[in-house]
Amino acid sequence: GENVEQHPSTLSVQEGDSAVIKCTYSDSASNYFPWYKQELGKGPQLIIDIRSNVGEKKDQRIAVTLNKTAKHFSLHITETQPEDSAVYFCAAGHNSGGSNYKLTFGKGTLLTVNP
Amino acid sequence: NAGVMQNPRHLVRRRGQEARLRCSPMKGHSHVYWYRQLPEEGLKFMVYLQKENIIDESGMPKERFSAEFPKEGPSILRIQQVVRGDSAAYFCASSPRGGHTDTQYFGPGTRLTVL
Repeated sequence: GENVEQHPSTLSVQEGDSAVIKCTYSDSASNYFPWYKQELGKGPQLIIDIRSNVGEKKDQRIAVTLNKTAKHFSLHITETQPEDSAVYFCAAGHNSGGSNYKLTFGKGTLLTVNP
Repeated sequence: NAGVMQNPRHLVRRRGQEARLRCSPMKGHSHVYWYRQLPEEGLKFMVYLQKENIIDESGMPKERFSAEFPKEGPSILRIQQVVRGDSAAYFCASSPRGGHTDTQYFGPGTRLTVL
């Protein structure tokens, strides 16, 4: 089955700096890659996603890049703010019978933005 | 538009008791997914349901766990004869159509503690 590796497990940056989180996946059939932000005691909130027909997607301070050949994708947060502090999860849509509903998650990255 | 609702938010059970977790999908969504999150781990897929149908339960333990999504009412994840290893956060997600085109939106989770 699909395996998703996520690095780093913790990341500390100064306010205003950029943060980059990287993930690799194993199943070349996966073609959907969402990123979720989880604050303490809450459910994961989708912040951005990318499908395999594009290599990059941007939404204000957040961008995601995808390299299908190398099977890795990354989350980039620019001009970080203290409210960006949370655990971030990457996921890959696992192709099972033609559907990518079975998301496989990385283990998460605890991002801390220091004021 | 209310998001995915889960209740209870916290549930404490003694070993051997039953746990019932409820999930009401977003309005207009007919596809429900259950995931389990162990401490400091990513989310693990358990089951995917549509109204009155279990589509994929490959992530469910073979014994004691069951799920349903009736025609009327919320989806239910039932854990019989709970053991300490069942202690985790259980998240429900929903999507409008299912399949690889759909984004999954998560609820706030139910945190199950087995004493």
